[in-house]
Amino acid sequence: EVQLVESGGGLVQPGGSLRLSCAASGFTFSNYAMSWVRQAPGEGLEWVSTISGSGGGTFYADSVRGHFTISRDNSKNTLYLEMNSLRAEDTAVYYCATITAAGIFDYWGQGTLVTVSS
Amino acid sequence: QLVLTQSPSASASLGASVKVTCTLSSGHSSYVIAWHQQQPEKGPRYLMKINSDGSHIRGDGIPDRFSGSISGAERYLTISSLQSEDEADYYCQTWGTGFHGVFGGGTKLTVL
Repeated sequence: EVQLVESGGGLVQPGGSLRLSCAASGFTFSNYAMSWVRQAPGEGLEWVSTISGSGGGTFYADSVRGHFTISRDNSKNTLYLEMNSLRAEDTAVYYCATITAAGIFDYWGQGTLVTVSS
Repeated sequence: QLVLTQSPSASASLGASVKVTCTLSSGHSSYVIAWHQQQPEKGPRYLMKINSDGSHIRGDGIPDRFSGSISGAERYLTISSLQSEDEADYYCQTWGTGFHGVFGGGTKLTVL
């Protein structure tokens, strides 16, 4: 059974940093591209970033390019999202998801809440 | 620009059927899309992929009450024999050629 478990969310001040983790199990992690998707309170889903299975390819939404960094450790079956210079508009639940070669998110975690506030 | 457009809300009675629509922007009518369900206070769940030929492949454990179809640039999610647990937000999703994910704005389904 595929399982994705996010952690690392919390309350952070504007301008601060946070690192999210997503622990994966139930599949061969290194064979799959992975993504982060977020959902601001009361809003819809927003794609944030994707990383290839090897980690050699990374892609970002314009809204986070330059202040978020996606990475992965295939030896630990873990996906990361390093978030710097956080702003109020980054407040959201952050989900990790597997993504197929067709660009479809086919398994989702339960999410971790990030709140940026002073 | 690749955009997915959804009606904000839909409703249908318990036991009835409902069709939720997602429209691809001009020039993108051949794109593969996915449907995701998000029940209240839960994370999203992948329902199915709809190919450009109208065929669809459901995700693991998704009952056959959920089906997909297409007409031109429109992609449909049909839910039959509506149950109370089907009351949720439904999102369509695709992937742009510029390596970016795209979501529709979501449709809130109310089961009457």
